[in-house]
Amino acid sequence: QKEVEQDPGPLSVPEGAIVSLNCTYSNSAFQYFMWYRQYSRKGPELLMYTYSSGNKEDGRFTAQVDKSSKYISLFIRDSQPSDSATYLCAMRWSQGGKLIFGQGTELSVKP
Amino acid sequence: GAVVSQHPSWVICKSGTSVKIECRSLDFQATTMFWYRQFPKQSLMLMATSNEGSKATYEQGVEKDKFLINHASLTLSTLTVTSAHPEDSSFYICSARSLAGAISNEQFFGPGTRLTVL
Repeated sequence: QKEVEQDPGPLSVPEGAIVSLNCTYSNSAFQYFMWYRQYSRKGPELLMYTYSSGNKEDGRFTAQVDKSSKYISLFIRDSQPSDSATYLCAMRWSQGGKLIFGQGTELSVKP
Repeated sequence: GAVVSQHPSWVICKSGTSVKIECRSLDFQATTMFWYRQFPKQSLMLMATSNEGSKATYEQGVEKDKFLINHASLTLSTLTVTSAHPEDSSFYICSARSLAGAISNEQFFGPGTRLTVL
């Protein structure tokens, strides 16, 4: 079993839709949770960063962490074609620890 | 701020040759740099972690004699793929982390280097 599981997709939605991306994990020691966006042939860029459980909102993006269920989510409201990318969840045990990535979900937003 | 660059962005080489990839933190001092490998439609797999002035720590299954990492300064790390073979063809991504200031403990990723070994 992988430490972090993420459905690779691809996920295709119409412009304006609400997108829900999810990851599950097996190690309860993870404390820091991140979502990265990666465009084709580019490096990942940090979208959202959450410590422990709870919600965090930034513009059209909302990250949720449910540590009791070992489940994290990223919601994208009013999705745009420019949101088309691969979204990777990542997590780590400590502030300075190494990142463990999910496989990434490929998202396509159709105009 | 917090920009990481990689050079080259794309390299093609013949089997058996060595290739060097550079990773630079442009506007901050990176005490730690990480090297990842990513195959198509797969996640980033950590290869090694390097702290400035120290030997790199390699992940299990990564050959340290094949993937030479040097982190000689706080703004530059290099990955050399020695005697490259077609199975080494992949997307190599570095990231850099600072322990100081407002960006402490965050990892910033480079744009990646696509290596194709013929």
